[in-house]
Amino acid sequence: DAKTTQPPSMDCAEGRAANLPCNHSTISGNEYVYWYRQIHSQGPQYIIHGLKNNETNEMASLIITEDRKSSTLILPHATLRDTAVYYCIVRAPSMNTGFQKLVFGTGTRLLVSP
Amino acid sequence: DGGITQSPKYLFRKEGQNVTLSCEQNLNHDAMYWYRQDPGQGLRLIYYSQIVNDFQKGDIAEGYSVSREKKESFPLTVTSAQKNPTAFYLCASSISWDSPYTFGSGTRLTVV
Repeated sequence: DAKTTQPPSMDCAEGRAANLPCNHSTISGNEYVYWYRQIHSQGPQYIIHGLKNNETNEMASLIITEDRKSSTLILPHATLRDTAVYYCIVRAPSMNTGFQKLVFGTGTRLLVSP
Repeated sequence: DGGITQSPKYLFRKEGQNVTLSCEQNLNHDAMYWYRQDPGQGLRLIYYSQIVNDFQKGDIAEGYSVSREKKESFPLTVTSAQKNPTAFYLCASSISWDSPYTFGSGTRLTVV
């Protein structure tokens, strides 16, 4: 089961910042927060990940609260091509080998409109 | 350019037939994964391989089989034992198991 909670959908106007929230109140001290997105009928695309500090790359910024129980993915200037399902994921250990799989929930469907 | 290729993009099979989905990567990644996605659902892990000649069952391995004879290739066979095979199948790879994943573009399997 996914260890994160995200709103099912959000809207954003083109050119505005899109702020996608994620709750992960049971996150462990050594678990990272990952963000991926999936454009319709394509494979998911890695966006960014972080442990406790804020992170920024060419695609987005990741803000993690000090208690690490929630985070926000920020797309600073959303475009129509950012319309996708965004997944917030924390690592969960596999039951039998200790391998840490990525668990994808249902994510947030972001619609960017003109 | 390096990447991960899944073929074919669309696949139709009759019920009771086995079918093999191809996944090839030229990223020199050690780890590879197979996920299944049903409409409106998240991804569920079928099998994964952290190194060549080794693979492990994921959460929904029943009715599926894999092999990892080469580092670049991780084919998935959907057998007739899989009760609901119609789905979108995604292959991914990563440098190591705790690195970001690169996904293929998926294979949509329809069993009629």
